[in-house]
Amino acid sequence: DTGVSQNPRHKITKRGQNVTFRCDPISEHNRLYWYRQTLGQGPEFLTYFQNEAQLEKSRLLSDRFSAERPKGSFSTLEIQRTEQGDSAMYLCASSLGLVIEGTETQYFGPGTRLLVL
Amino acid sequence: RKEVEQDPGPFNVPEGATVAFNCTYSNSASQSFFWYRQDCRKEPKLLMSVYSSGNEDGRFTAQLNRASQYISLLIRDSKLSDSATYLCVAHRIISNFGNEKLTFGTGTRLTIIP
Repeated sequence: DTGVSQNPRHKITKRGQNVTFRCDPISEHNRLYWYRQTLGQGPEFLTYFQNEAQLEKSRLLSDRFSAERPKGSFSTLEIQRTEQGDSAMYLCASSLGLVIEGTETQYFGPGTRLLVL
Repeated sequence: RKEVEQDPGPFNVPEGATVAFNCTYSNSASQSFFWYRQDCRKEPKLLMSVYSSGNEDGRFTAQLNRASQYISLLIRDSKLSDSATYLCVAHRIISNFGNEKLTFGTGTRLTIIP
């Protein structure tokens, strides 16, 4: 399967614990995005990378959230000191990200569903 | 006002009927648009891209009206398998360095009734 993959698919944790999610984008894609989605809402942008550089961060991304893409391939999203309000689906997407129409199309992974108890 | 607005529905439509959704966007700098389909508890999957006035793919037609800042999606001869949430998405470049922003609507829920 050459699509976007995410691990784990589900995570249950207790409030106050740290969690880390991983995303492996489509191999030739330069850009990688993280979104959060709660029930009844569309995905909300968190942050994105062009290769290893983090270009944009949403105000939704509090200082408890950090994302990395150290070698410009896979990315990790870490949430420290989780709160119940962090419970959501965390989606990763990737795109070619060239300055050519059509390459901005984002393809999503299956998501990591987080439940904070 | 939200940057991308959709009627959340639900739309309950008999099989075989034609259904249309509208989506409005507030930022005139938005350059390209997408419709994604999302099944319950699954990831969004790209349905159509819209760059100029519209796009057609089989039973699906998307129209873009830049003057009125809305995008529509038309589904003809609807099938049971079309039941899903349809997300409208606007894309724009937000800096001279090529930083971009993709904004999703909340989605329109469609149920096709046998």
